[in-house]
This record gives sequence, structure tokens and C-alpha cells, in this order.
Amino acid sequence: AQSVTQLGSHVSVSEGALVLLRCNYSSSVPPYLFWYVQYPNQGLQLLLKYTSAATLVKGINGFEAEFKKSETSFHLTKPSAHMSDAAEYFCAVSLGSNFGNEKLTFGTGTRLTIIP
Amino acid sequence: ETGVTQTPRHLVMGMTNKKSLKCEQHLGHNAMYWYKQSAKKPLELMFVYSLEERVENNSVPSRFSPECPNSSHLFLHLHTLQPEDSALYLCASSQVMDDDYEQYFGPGTRLTVT
Repeated sequence: AQSVTQLGSHVSVSEGALVLLRCNYSSSVPPYLFWYVQYPNQGLQLLLKYTSAATLVKGINGFEAEFKKSETSFHLTKPSAHMSDAAEYFCAVSLGSNFGNEKLTFGTGTRLTIIP
Repeated sequence: ETGVTQTPRHLVMGMTNKKSLKCEQHLGHNAMYWYKQSAKKPLELMFVYSLEERVENNSVPSRFSPECPNSSHLFLHLHTLQPEDSALYLCASSQVMDDDYEQYFGPGTRLTVT
């Protein structure tokens, strides 16, 4: 079984400041981890993913995340926030990519607000 | 069309109506999913189809009935819904067994039950 905890349902940062969105996971096997972004009235778009290769993962729009097994964490960061980053962010985990393990379990999401 | 498409984008229906949501994936994937996204709740996986066979039904009420006629199309048939069924319904697809695995999502159908 697997689960995801996202600390902070709302995060506000000033434009140009560091963005840090937290995600901790629980998994019975080495996990696959994902960050998705959702803009209003849209579906989910993949930002980045960890699938057992490099632990520091770079994604789109300047975001990156680091897989830390010892901390069971996969926090999302961006050095400098932009107004267009305002959205809802979801962390998700799966047990792998084979049939039966590929299902995603999502966190409750973090709404990111950018202060001008 | 590219990626995952969903129609309609918005749907308003009464509790006695019957309607269907449609999802189509243009990615050649072998698995498709229905999710429900309600306000202040995590995304809920409703149904999974792998190789056109339903492999999971997460205790979804029978008023929701999925159909997967082929690997590219997925439907969600709705009948006698309740107001609490109002939500954003998201479809996704993936290529299972792919080392570079990810799920691709459609834009969703915003359903309002009156």
C-alpha cells in the first residue's frame, strides 16, 4: 500500500522568492513519485517524475524535486517564483509501472499563491 | 487531436437524466482511468481499464457505469445521480510496463447535478 502527505494546503510566496512545496510518502516498495500541476478548470499536467533513476529530478517551468529515501520525501522547489506559477500542485506515488502497481495515489494538493 | 481529450467539458443534468462522458486518448496507450475530483478531497480513482479489461472498481456506486470498447476510448455512463456527484471527472491514460511511466490527463468534465 502507498500514501502521500502534502504539508500545507495553502502556500503563499512573493514573486521572485523560493517556492518549496512539501511531499512525504509511504510505500512498501521503492516508489515512483510524481508532481502534477493543475490550473483552474483544467486537467493535471506532469511537472516532473522520479522513476528510480537520478534522485534530483528537473522538470518543466524551472521546477525540480529531490528524492530522499531516508526522509521519505519528494519536495518540490523553484528558485524564483513567477506569477504564472499560481496553481494547485499534487504529489502522487505509485508502486511501479507494471500492471496492478501503476495506479497513482494522490495527496490532497497544495494551492500556491504568488504575491506581487 | 493530441493527448487525451474529454467531452463534454461541462454538463448539467437532473437527477433523473441519463448522460455519458467520453474520453479518447491519441497516445497508443494500453491503460485508461477515471478519476473524480471533488472540492477539498483528494483525487479518487474510480475505474481502471488495462488492455480494455476492467481491473479495478473502487467501490463506486452502480449509478456510474464505465465502458471501454477499445484501447483508445473510455466512457462513463451516468444515471440517477445525486447532487453529491457534482465534481470534475478526469480521464487519464498510460503505457503500463513502460520504464518511463506516467499518466496523461485530459482536461476534465465539470459535472453539476441539479
